[in-house]
Amino acid sequence: EPEVTQTPSHQVTQMGQEVILRCVPISNHLYFYWYRQILGQKVEFLVSFYNNEISEKSEIFDDQFSVERPDGSNFTLKIRSTKLEDSAMYFCASSAGPDTQYFGPGTRLTVL
Amino acid sequence: AQRVTQPEKLLSVFKGAPVELKCNYSYSGSPELFWYVQYSRQRLQLLLRHISRESIKGFTADLNKGETSFHLKKPFAQEEDSAMYYCARLTNTDKLIFGTGTRLQVFP
Repeated sequence: EPEVTQTPSHQVTQMGQEVILRCVPISNHLYFYWYRQILGQKVEFLVSFYNNEISEKSEIFDDQFSVERPDGSNFTLKIRSTKLEDSAMYFCASSAGPDTQYFGPGTRLTVL
Repeated sequence: AQRVTQPEKLLSVFKGAPVELKCNYSYSGSPELFWYVQYSRQRLQLLLRHISRESIKGFTADLNKGETSFHLKKPFAQEEDSAMYYCARLTNTDKLIFGTGTRLQVFP
C-alpha cells in the first residue's frame, strides 16, 4: 500500500538557521498539506497546496514559511529563520481529492 | 470558530471492557468527521470516517447531529488498541481541525 514518506525523521538546528523538510506524497494524489504538533498540544493545520499554489494557510504560516513542489514527487516545507517555538513534529499529508488525508510519519524539528 | 473537543486526555480500561472515546464538534450543518489513530512511534492513520459507516478493528462511530457528537466505541477493548486517538473534522476549505486527542490505555 502506498504511503507518504518524510525526511529527515529528526532535524536539529540552531535558532536562525534555515531548514527544509521534505515529503513525498502518494503518487496519484493532488492535494498536499503540512500540519504541525508542538509537544503536548493538538495537531494544527499550517498550509494546503493544490495545482502548484497555496490553497489556504493558517496564521502560523507567516513569511518565514514557504512550500514548494520542485518536481513531480517532492513537496517541501522551508522555514527561513527558525525560532525556538518552531520546535515541533511536522506532518505532511496528501489526498486524492478534498477528502481523506493520508499522513506521513512526521519530522521532529528541534531548534536549539 | 470550528472546534473539535475531546474532553478526556486519558482513558484507561482493562482488556475486554467497553470503550467510548468522546468527541464533540461545533458548527451546525453536515460535518465530515474522522477518527485517526496514532500507535506508539507510528504515523497518524485513518481509523474511521463517518460517511463510510464501517467498522474498523471493531470500532464504530455514529454521528449524532442533535448532540453534535461523533463518539468512538468498541465493545471489547484489546491491549493492541492502546494508542492516541484523534477526532477531526474536515472544513469546507479541506483542512482538518483536530481535537486534542485521547490516550487510550488498555491493561491486561
